[in-house]
Amino acid sequence: DTEVTQTPKHLVMGMTNKKSLKCEQHMGHRAMYWYKQKAKKPPELMFVYSYEKLSINESVPSRFSPECPNSSLLNLHLHALQPEDSALYLCASSHEGTGGNYGYTFGSGTRLTVV
Amino acid sequence: QKEVEQDPGPLSVPEGAIVSLNCTYSNSAFQYFMWYRQYSRKGPELLMYTYSSGNKEDGRFTAQVDKSSKYISLFIRDSQPSDSATYLCAMIRAQKLVFGQGTRLTINP
Repeated sequence: DTEVTQTPKHLVMGMTNKKSLKCEQHMGHRAMYWYKQKAKKPPELMFVYSYEKLSINESVPSRFSPECPNSSLLNLHLHALQPEDSALYLCASSHEGTGGNYGYTFGSGTRLTVV
Repeated sequence: QKEVEQDPGPLSVPEGAIVSLNCTYSNSAFQYFMWYRQYSRKGPELLMYTYSSGNKEDGRFTAQVDKSSKYISLFIRDSQPSDSATYLCAMIRAQKLVFGQGTRLTINP
């Protein structure tokens, strides 16, 4: 299994809602990442988990709350988002923080719309 | 100045042409270099991964890294319409994968 699976694929939420994005991988990777991608822009790093511990937070607003329940799962909890948070949210994983010998594997993303 | 510079294009070439995509970077701390392909509304797909200067070939794709010049390239031979996508260079330093702006490529039949 060489996939990173993200659910849901699409999400529309109001500014007062609470929702969660989920990411799963079964490649034995020990580093997992959340990226945000706006239209016609490259992905931007949000969070890095290494061995299930948060190792990097790129000064992301607290309305985004990551969680790594185990080595295969990564969640992103969303609360009180703004319309400008609408974007494609990508999850990625790698053998370890340097990408090992195989780089980073990305999921297909969750397209989030905040109304 | 961005850490990783990539011409966003767009780039349009006829089918069968050789495509050359390039990135430059400013930080010598980058150690691992990748090229991703991203189709519209999809996640990035890893095409090539390398960590040393020189060339790496995989089918129609060749990745080239010149660490002394801080310059990386991706060559696509015998380009196909299915190669039409955005190509992103990316490189790693201190657990961070940093992307170039991406080049939008169209291969015309």
